[in-house]
Amino acid sequence: KAGVTQTPRYLIKTRGQQVTLSCSPISGHRSVSWYQQTPGQGLQFLFEYFSETQRNKGNFPGRFSGRQFSNSRSEMNVSTLELGDSALYLCASSLEPNYGYTFGSGTRLTVV
Amino acid sequence: GENVEQHPSTLSVQEGDSAVIKCTYSDSASNYFPWYKQELGKGPQLIIDIRSNVGEKKDQRIAVTLNKTAKHFSLHITETQPEDSAVYFCLLSGQLIWGAGTKLIIKP
Repeated sequence: KAGVTQTPRYLIKTRGQQVTLSCSPISGHRSVSWYQQTPGQGLQFLFEYFSETQRNKGNFPGRFSGRQFSNSRSEMNVSTLELGDSALYLCASSLEPNYGYTFGSGTRLTVV
Repeated sequence: GENVEQHPSTLSVQEGDSAVIKCTYSDSASNYFPWYKQELGKGPQLIIDIRSNVGEKKDQRIAVTLNKTAKHFSLHITETQPEDSAVYFCLLSGQLIWGAGTKLIIKP
């Protein structure tokens, strides 16, 4: 079966712009979570959705937001991009929250 | 707040030897302890997990042990092979807090 699909794989944006990243979970998975990965900070949890509801949110500013659609696909948005937002953004899906995540390959965002 | 400490940050072992990575946590409420492997250019991959009602779980060359009293869980890889070279992460699932990662290097 198809894995977790993240689009786009690579993205270059300018400071001040906004960006939307997309994640299609494994068929049947209703839980989707997002993570930011940087060399300095490691893997940091952004937010988690289950059945279109945000269950949990990490310690990120309000510029970071997300949503989940009825088909479980999820998007995350970052507004007013800063240089420090450059990172690999990973999406993971699971049948239920907190258990057995399957990750996508990520979207590498570069802010210039 | 809750925290998880992962050690060592880098581990270099001879091919065929064993490797052990340990995570220590402070959250008593966690009841699920997974380990992930991340290869270059890929997302993390779940390799083994354990629930709090079990002390040890093994899957071929990989095992995870859990000591709830001491609040630590460890990843054990035996008979290491070149394809085991990667970064390994533990996850404190209750709080979704990740360990800092261990870069495992298998020397030929």
